[in-house]
Amino acid sequence: SAVISQKPSRDICQRGTSLTIQCQVDSQVTMMFWYRQQPGQSLTLIATANQGSEATYESGFVIDKFPISRPNLTFSTLTVSNMSPEDSSIYLCSVEGAGHGNYGYTFGSGTRLTVV
Amino acid sequence: GQQVMQIPQYQHVQEGEDFTTYCNSSTTLSNIQWYKQRPGGHPVFLIQLVKSGEVKKQKRLTFQFGEAKKNSSLHITATQTTDVGTYFCAGARSNDYKLSFGAGTTVTVRA
Repeated sequence: SAVISQKPSRDICQRGTSLTIQCQVDSQVTMMFWYRQQPGQSLTLIATANQGSEATYESGFVIDKFPISRPNLTFSTLTVSNMSPEDSSIYLCSVEGAGHGNYGYTFGSGTRLTVV
Repeated sequence: GQQVMQIPQYQHVQEGEDFTTYCNSSTTLSNIQWYKQRPGGHPVFLIQLVKSGEVKKQKRLTFQFGEAKKNSSLHITATQTTDVGTYFCAGARSNDYKLSFGAGTTVTVRA
């Protein structure tokens, strides 16, 4: 299964600033997914990042707030822009291929963001 | 909105007892997946069910997919302290790679 390196693991940021989260995968993957998990809550898909095209955003998430880059098949970044305390959350990247037969999803270790 | 409902939200279990968590979807799923997230950790894939009525076992964990492919359950027997964490189901609809996660069942174990 794929191995994902995600960083930073955590950060405390001032409101109004931006943070860029990076995910590096040890194999080439077509799609990378970015999720948000608010404290004690489930996972909400922010967007799907395809290499060579613009990311596809889910309802409630916009590119100006969460710009995504996907320069190649092993790397992606998510930026949380103009942060407010409401953006405090865990952000996770994910790719397909957690089990045999390439099904299931592997998650990065997450970025725990606190906005003060 | 969320398409997969999961209950109970919390499960407090005496060590050695059994428990079950349930997922229900408003639409027919092509497959359902289960994940475990330990406290402070990230979700880890457990299993995928694809076929109607499918049952799979992993040691003390038994996973079921309903005949209509709209519901699923995870049953854990003889709960151990290592079972602590949040269990999420996640469903995918046909022709849609995106997963819809349930709210999760957070399990605590009394020794």
